[in-house]
Amino acid sequence: NAGVMQNPRHLVRRRGQEARLRCSPMKGHSHVYWYRQLPEEGLKFMVYLQKENIIDESGMPKERFSAEFPKEGPSILRIQQVVRGDSAAYFCASSPKQISGNTIYFGEGSWLTVV
Amino acid sequence: GQNIDQPTEMTATEGAIVQINCTYQTSGFNGLFWYQQHAGEAPTFLSYNVLDGLEEKGRFSSFLSRSKGYSYLLLKELQMKDSASYLCAVRDSNYQLIWGAGTKLIIKP
Repeated sequence: NAGVMQNPRHLVRRRGQEARLRCSPMKGHSHVYWYRQLPEEGLKFMVYLQKENIIDESGMPKERFSAEFPKEGPSILRIQQVVRGDSAAYFCASSPKQISGNTIYFGEGSWLTVV
Repeated sequence: GQNIDQPTEMTATEGAIVQINCTYQTSGFNGLFWYQQHAGEAPTFLSYNVLDGLEEKGRFSSFLSRSKGYSYLLLKELQMKDSASYLCAVRDSNYQLIWGAGTKLIIKP
């Protein structure tokens, strides 16, 4: 049973380019969460999605950032016109339903570097 | 506002015991989690407390006092591989996880 899969693991973008990060949840999981982690800081919630629905995007910047979780395929976090401040680790996590169990499962993360 | 406080960094000796504290102020409470995160890796689940008291799991134990908004993670018989960041997270009334900034634990021989 594969875990949460994220790709790419490392991504380098120049300022102004677009970054696309993908997350395939664990099999049977229909809830996906995206978190951002800046160096030496904790995880910051960005967005919570179910298939074809954004449930909570209160942690996501209003501009340049978007997320989707289509009926088929992985969840995608998209950052347009990246700036240096977007450099961070982006973690995806999944759960079988809204976090009512004892754990959520994290992917290995995608490290974005903006140069 | 919602707030999770943990010490930034702690140092301990191999074989010893260390206690990492976490205090929280959140809108509602639906459980507290401790995660371990090695540098450059994903967080991994350590423990979950929803009722007051101590939960023991091998070398690791976690304690919760809801009335005090306080938890601690206790690590016994420290090993070098325990050098990592330890993240405290609280699930609030909206079932969102609110994360502390993490405590970097350095183990010395």
